Amino acid sequence: EAGVTQFPSHSVIEKGQTVTLRCDPISGHDNLYWYRRVMGKEIKFLLHFVKESKQDESGMPNNRFLAERTGGTYSTLKVQPAELEDSGVYFCASSQLGSYNSPLHFGNGTRLTVT
Amino acid sequence: DAKTTQPPSMDCAEGRAANLPCNHSTISGNEYVYWYRQIHSQGPQYIIHGLKNNETNEMASLIITEDRKSSTLILPHATLRDTAVYYCIVRDPTSGTYKYIFGTGTRLKVLA
Repeated sequence: EAGVTQFPSHSVIEKGQTVTLRCDPISGHDNLYWYRRVMGKEIKFLLHFVKESKQDESGMPNNRFLAERTGGTYSTLKVQPAELEDSGVYFCASSQLGSYNSPLHFGNGTRLTVT
Repeated sequence: DAKTTQPPSMDCAEGRAANLPCNHSTISGNEYVYWYRQIHSQGPQYIIHGLKNNETNEMASLIITEDRKSSTLILPHATLRDTAVYYCIVRDPTSGTYKYIFGTGTRLKVLA
């Protein structure tokens, strides 16, 4: 079984540019989460999808961040325009729906550097 | 805020058992305890989880106290590859999304 995959693994962009991160969850996992770790800080929750619906986007830092999950399969996280403080590692995780204690499975993240 | 507290760092000799403690004194009756680890540059890796009974799998054992206010992750024979940051997480059921809230974790260093 393939795990959670994220693309790209690294991205370096200039301030003001746009970047789109992609996450492919484990097949059949309807729950999809985005997290990020900014340098020196803890891993922070961004948002949660159930299938194609946003269940909780309380962690999204501002309106420069847009997450989508059309069709309820893969998800994208777009940052537009990027700022220096957006640099960090963005993790995606997925889990099965309907099982409260089902653990999250994380991808290896996308390391975003904004210069 | 995270509902767990862990020591910031620990050392363990290779081949010995690593016992990583976690306090979760405000845990509620239906909240599970999850353990993950993060090895440099990788995503958090699931290790084990439990509710009230002790659990064991091929990676580790989880011991939860009877009052459920603390737990210990045990790596029975630590190897150099177990060097990582270990996170103890109590899932937040109040959010409706069952999201994880990460704390600062314990940085375990396995020494040769």
